[in-house]
Amino acid sequence: EDQVTQSPEALRLQEGESSSLNCSYTVSGLRGLFWYRQDPGKGPEFLFTLYSAGEEKEKERLKATLTKKESFLHITAPKPEDSATYLCAVRAPGANNLFFGTGTRLTVIP
Amino acid sequence: DAGVIQSPRHEVTEMGQEVTLRCKPISGHNSLFWYRQTMMRGLELLIYFNNNVPIDDSGMPEDRFSAKMPNASFSTLKIQPSEPRDSAVYFCASILSQTAINPNYGYTFGSGTRLTVV
Repeated sequence: EDQVTQSPEALRLQEGESSSLNCSYTVSGLRGLFWYRQDPGKGPEFLFTLYSAGEEKEKERLKATLTKKESFLHITAPKPEDSATYLCAVRAPGANNLFFGTGTRLTVIP
Repeated sequence: DAGVIQSPRHEVTEMGQEVTLRCKPISGHNSLFWYRQTMMRGLELLIYFNNNVPIDDSGMPEDRFSAKMPNASFSTLKIQPSEPRDSAVYFCASILSQTAINPNYGYTFGSGTRLTVV
């Protein structure tokens, strides 16, 4: 059964304290791993898509990486505005829908 | 681009009542998805449409739930009768399926409908 597991469930960082969020997956024939950001009361906002092991994507203070079993979202020198829930999702072969993990709730303290 | 538009934003209803949630996808997108989000289970796919045709409804909890997409610019999710355990945030998302494998594109989500059944 396809599974997506995110860790930790919650993370508190001081402003400027870099860290990483983990997304491990068990999907045969991955057709994309997606990272989303979700703010309270809003829908998920697309950040990155990764397709093959070794691939990396960057956006401002965020960098996503992918291996054959997991993806990391690295946050460098975070700011309070980076506080949000970060969701990981995979698209399985033969499917057009996304299967989501339960997210990591990130709080960055000034 | 107005994005994916959902209505209403909030709905409070009594158990047993019919509830209809609405979604307008991004113009030109041909795949539409309904998700439900709860604290316990996160985001779960309910159903998705491709070119207005339901492709996978295996996530629809039971016969009380139904979804339609009468045209490319409108979809509804109906719950009849509603129950307290249906309380959740319901999201609609859309994408142009031909771009689904484009690394620069992701599925676009609406702002959601927060449903409370009392």
